[in-house]
Amino acid sequence: AQKVTQAQTEISVVEKEDVTLDCVYETRDTTYYLFWYKQPPSGELVFLIRRNSFDEQNEISGRYSWNFQKSTSSFNFTITASQVVDSAVYFCARGNNNDMRFGAGTRLTVKP
Amino acid sequence: DVKVTQSSRYLVKRTGEKVFLECVQDMDHENMFWYRQDPGLGLRLIYFSYDVKMKEKGDIPEGYSVSREKKERFSLILESASTNQTSMYLCASSSRGLAATDTQYFGPGTRLTVL
Repeated sequence: AQKVTQAQTEISVVEKEDVTLDCVYETRDTTYYLFWYKQPPSGELVFLIRRNSFDEQNEISGRYSWNFQKSTSSFNFTITASQVVDSAVYFCARGNNNDMRFGAGTRLTVKP
Repeated sequence: DVKVTQSSRYLVKRTGEKVFLECVQDMDHENMFWYRQDPGLGLRLIYFSYDVKMKEKGDIPEGYSVSREKKERFSLILESASTNQTSMYLCASSSRGLAATDTQYFGPGTRLTVL
């Protein structure tokens, strides 16, 4: 199976620090989609971003930014000036055709 | 907003019981999914459905079955629950398109414990 790897199992930062969550994916396809989801303590996965393989532009949304590097098969997620409410498990996923793969998740704890 | 609801947040069952987990979405989505989430393993797909009465096996279908009699409802059935099926179960839906290319919207999850 073509994997999605989130090498960081847990990250702990202090509020206002910047933090980057890494995501590396495997695929043999030229067309695919990449996603990030946030799972707060309440349990429900919340969609953050969807990006197709032909769009390598970095994206910024408020304090969130995403860096897509096709050459290294990475789709990293940065939170700037982290806040306690950012504490959650974050999942990266890759989808193509009918195959959706999630990473194991990174648990981010932001301490006040 | 898309709303995906699941029948229970927490469920405790005994080994050998038949268990039904229900999921309902209100956005007329074609695709619906059942995942299980275990620590260190992320989300693993059990089954998905791309239309009423249609289903496809995911990565870990053994011990599970599904039913989709109406477009908005997708049920996961544990025919004879076992302790290794203790897990968090997540339902999701997405609109028309290949099942793995559209954004999936998730329900709150059901934490199932099998004793």
